[in-house]
Amino acid sequence: DQQVKQNSPSLSVQEGRISILNCDYTNSMFDYFLWYKKYPAEGPTFLISISSIKDKNEDGRFTVFLNKSAKHLSLHIVPSQPGDSAVYFCAAPVNGELTFGTGTRLTIIP
Amino acid sequence: NAGVTQTPKFRVLKTGQSMTLLCAQDMNHEYMYWYRQDPGMGLRLIHYSVGEGTTAKGEVPDGYNVSRLKKQNFLLGLESAAPSQTSVYFCASSQTSGGANEQFFGPGTRLTVL
Repeated sequence: DQQVKQNSPSLSVQEGRISILNCDYTNSMFDYFLWYKKYPAEGPTFLISISSIKDKNEDGRFTVFLNKSAKHLSLHIVPSQPGDSAVYFCAAPVNGELTFGTGTRLTIIP
Repeated sequence: NAGVTQTPKFRVLKTGQSMTLLCAQDMNHEYMYWYRQDPGMGLRLIHYSVGEGTTAKGEVPDGYNVSRLKKQNFLLGLESAAPSQTSVYFCASSQTSGGANEQFFGPGTRLTVL
């Protein structure tokens, strides 16, 4: 059973606009949520995280929002740049293991 | 500081052959992990280790074995490869398993089993 779900396999956004990537979860016991970014032929790299006691965390162009009542989090990228084209995974740690969503491929259109 | 490295980068096997994937990290991390990534499936945990000499099963351990004889190395073995094991394999490490459990990933090994 997928505890972390990314229902949009792909997303295309114009350069300079906002990119919004979504993630839903089922386990209300998650303490943290993480976003990873993955380029082709490379391993995932950590992007940003949020604690379950917060509803927002910001790092430069990247902001993650957490809505615990809806069991939903989103990653906002503003403004979007060509280098942001990648696959984005949301993940949550449970019992020392990371559970990953299936990923969303973001394409930034110049 | 190379971070997490994996060898080999690519490999093609015939059904029934065996091989070992090597993962090395130079960050002195206690925890190490092996994942596989398949299209539409995200990353799934195969095995992990919480320290030198320890191993544990993850979500999809069948057909794989692991060993952590040295803290910096984590080996993934396939004793008798099957086409279902065609995948991209990622190794990762982390300092702790608590908190956000930020993991650092290697570049991956693309394995094809014919």
